[in-house]
Amino acid sequence: NAGVTQTPKFRVLKTGQSMTLLCAQDMNHEYMYWYRQDPGMGLRLIHYSVGEGTTAKGEVPDGYNVSRLKKQNFLLGLESAAPSQTSVYFCASSGTSDYNEQFFGPGTRLTVL
Amino acid sequence: AQKVTQAQTEISVVEKEDVTLDCVYETRDTTYYLFWYKQPPSGELVFLIRRNSFDEQNEISGRYSWNFQKSTSSFNFTITASQVVDSAVYFCALSGYRDDKIIFGKGTRLHILP
Repeated sequence: NAGVTQTPKFRVLKTGQSMTLLCAQDMNHEYMYWYRQDPGMGLRLIHYSVGEGTTAKGEVPDGYNVSRLKKQNFLLGLESAAPSQTSVYFCASSGTSDYNEQFFGPGTRLTVL
Repeated sequence: AQKVTQAQTEISVVEKEDVTLDCVYETRDTTYYLFWYKQPPSGELVFLIRRNSFDEQNEISGRYSWNFQKSTSSFNFTITASQVVDSAVYFCALSGYRDDKIIFGKGTRLHILP
């Protein structure tokens, strides 16, 4: 089992460019999450999904869109990247929402110039 | 609203010393779950422990121990005889019953000095 994988691992964008981050999990988990991690801010939830075809906003959703067309994949899109979106992005999945721990991917380091 | 506070942003101790990482939480739920995660310098987040609100028994796993006290809304993490490999950022987290999300604290960066 690969667990949770993220593509790409690193990316540099120019302001205004768009990109999609891919998260894939092979644990048949229902719940998937996208976080961003910034220095001193901990992990902040961007969007999440409680099942295939569903998405919901987290704490900091502005400037991002997501899609969960397949149960195993959760895509995070930036339509027009801004320097404020420079961050490390983590994807996570869990079997259920509350008592099951979340399993994290290795992260994607994104720099927006 | 749920909240997790890790007041210690950064701690440095000398190897072999004991160190306690504090975690204070706020929730209106009577059933909830608490977690600790470790983020070593390599960057991945590693699950350490989950505790439900009905189980206040302290837990020990090797050099790690956790003290859960509902009376003070705290879930503290102690590393005994610290080692350099314990250097990491540690996150405390909270999830309410039937909640879709986990709320993370801002983390405590632990430096173990050789």
